[in-house]
Amino acid sequence: DTAVSQTPKYLVTQMGNDKSIKCEQNLGHDTMYWYKQDSKKFLKIMFSYNNKELIINETVPNRFSPKSPDKAHLNLHINSLELGDSAVYFCASSPPWTSGGDTQYFGPGTRLTVL
Amino acid sequence: GENVEQHPSTLSVQEGDSAVIKCTYSDSASNYFPWYKQELGKGPQLIIDIRSNVGEKKDQRIAVTLNKTAKHFSLHITETQPEDSAVYFCAAILSGGDYKLSFGAGTTVTVRA
Repeated sequence: DTAVSQTPKYLVTQMGNDKSIKCEQNLGHDTMYWYKQDSKKFLKIMFSYNNKELIINETVPNRFSPKSPDKAHLNLHINSLELGDSAVYFCASSPPWTSGGDTQYFGPGTRLTVL
Repeated sequence: GENVEQHPSTLSVQEGDSAVIKCTYSDSASNYFPWYKQELGKGPQLIIDIRSNVGEKKDQRIAVTLNKTAKHFSLHITETQPEDSAVYFCAAILSGGDYKLSFGAGTTVTVRA
């Protein structure tokens, strides 16, 4: 299946721990994103990478560090987890601007619960 | 940055009736407006989109209208079915800009059988 995939789907951890969420897309897209969806369902962009280069970095604590080893992967590492980090995190990707690059395709989400 | 406001926050309709969700945006340079449907436990899925050179677009029971002068766009779902129950998000982006898609706060649609 061609899609955006994320692992894990659920992540439950203690405050203060460090965790990573992985994202992969096999759509051949150039740009990948991380979004955070809070308990009120509000979707907010966190980061965006284009061809492994960071292009959007919203006001996100530096405990969050994205890493893009190649165009098809964008991982999110979170240090010193806090209660307020509990949310659903979505990865997304979009094709080059010359091929409808403004259309974003979302993964299934990772529900992070910090205890 | 772009601000997108979405109304209503919840919408309950009888099966077979129509549902309308409205959004307004602030950046007059925005030129791409997608709509996403999010079912419980899943990621947002694109259902329809419209670009600023078009005033209306239709795909079966779903249609989107855009009024660039007033800076608002709407989603219309006709002949609603129980499977249309979901959270719907509008969004706006400056195409060719910084790739930043700004979302509305979402509308929870419930279709009553």
